[in-house]
Amino acid sequence: GAVVSQHPSWVICKSGTSVKIECRSLDFQATTMFWYRQFPKQSLMLMATSNEGSKATYEQGVEKDKFLINHASLTLSTLTVTSAHPEDSSFYICSARRQGGSQPQHFGDGTRLSIL
Amino acid sequence: AQRVTQPEKLLSVFKGAPVELKCNYSYSGSPELFWYVQYSRQRLQLLLRHISRESIKGFTADLNKGETSFHLKKPFAQEEDSAMYYCALSGPPVGNEKLTFGTGTRLTIIP
Repeated sequence: GAVVSQHPSWVICKSGTSVKIECRSLDFQATTMFWYRQFPKQSLMLMATSNEGSKATYEQGVEKDKFLINHASLTLSTLTVTSAHPEDSSFYICSARRQGGSQPQHFGDGTRLSIL
Repeated sequence: AQRVTQPEKLLSVFKGAPVELKCNYSYSGSPELFWYVQYSRQRLQLLLRHISRESIKGFTADLNKGETSFHLKKPFAQEEDSAMYYCALSGPPVGNEKLTFGTGTRLTIIP
């Protein structure tokens, strides 16, 4: 169990468009989901923590208006990159935690975003 | 601030030889430490966590609070161990379990 699905896996779009990435927990309820960004040959950097039914908590330096996060249900969180520009090109990864106790994070496959 | 350091970006070990991937951390409190592994073309997955004190796929890791280390060890490397390994830390323990990752170590097992 504990499967996290991320969609799309790869997207290419023009500068100025908005891109939505979905993160779903397929076989468990996730009260908390996390969004990470990974640059080539670098580590995962936490962007924001998404709690179901409440506003996301963003890390320092991450623009809230640029990276819109919605966690409307216990199995779905979305990240929308608004008015994307080439510098937003990166690998975006989500993870999800089960409710209660000290639960580990389970990761999606990631989404490679390329802005032309 | 919490920080995780993995000093080796690349590590090559012969099959059958012992493996040690180093991880040091900085955290003012009682952290929880993890090792995550990413095999080629696969997602990041949890390998082990210090509170479980398990041995997964022959790997073990002991939390040394005095040295603030959580090194990953395996006595005899296997070819299928080739992967990217990330050490991670979380804290506080309740509610907001954010993970801070190290930069990762790419382990290559030489046949």
